[in-house]
Amino acid sequence: EDQVTQSPEALRLQEGESSSLNCSYTVSGLRGLFWYRQDPGKGPEFLFTLYSAGEEKEKERLKATLTKKESFLHITAPKPEDSATYLCAGETSGSRLTFGEGTQLTVNP
Amino acid sequence: GAVVSQHPSWVICKSGTSVKIECRSLDFQATTMFWYRQFPKQSLMLMATSNEGSKATYEQGVEKDKFLINHASLTLSTLTVTSAHPEDSSFYICSARDLGRYNSPLHFGNGTRLTVT
Repeated sequence: EDQVTQSPEALRLQEGESSSLNCSYTVSGLRGLFWYRQDPGKGPEFLFTLYSAGEEKEKERLKATLTKKESFLHITAPKPEDSATYLCAGETSGSRLTFGEGTQLTVNP
Repeated sequence: GAVVSQHPSWVICKSGTSVKIECRSLDFQATTMFWYRQFPKQSLMLMATSNEGSKATYEQGVEKDKFLINHASLTLSTLTVTSAHPEDSSFYICSARDLGRYNSPLHFGNGTRLTVT
């Protein structure tokens, strides 16, 4: 059974305090590993897709990396507006996504 | 970029009534759309895959007679919750992919908050 596990469940940071979110996956026939950001009451907003181990992608203060078993979302010098729930998902054939439970990030000013 | 629109954004209905939720791809055609459900403090669970011109595919444990899906055109899929009960109260989100763009990700609508009283 495909599984995606995220840790920690919740993370509180001070503004400027860098950290990383973890996503461990066991997905048969993984076609891509996705990161999304979800604000309260909204749908997920696409951040990154990673396709192969060793791949890295960056966008502003965020950088996503991928190994054969895990993906990390590194947040450098976060700002309060980075507060959100970050979701990781593994894609299998037919565009089916298996989501993790998410990490709720709070960045305090 | 690709945009997926959902309507309504929230709805309150009485127990036993039916509710229809629309999902539209605004600037691309989607032969396949996906319907997810999200309970508070939980992640998204795939309910069904909506296929244009053919029957939807439902995930295990999802009642197809309760959650009717119609994919009538290449830009519109609808989810009808029939004979809604309070336990159907949830956040319903649709997604689609622009297959005309290489390696396009799945884009999500802004969701529909359903409350059954």
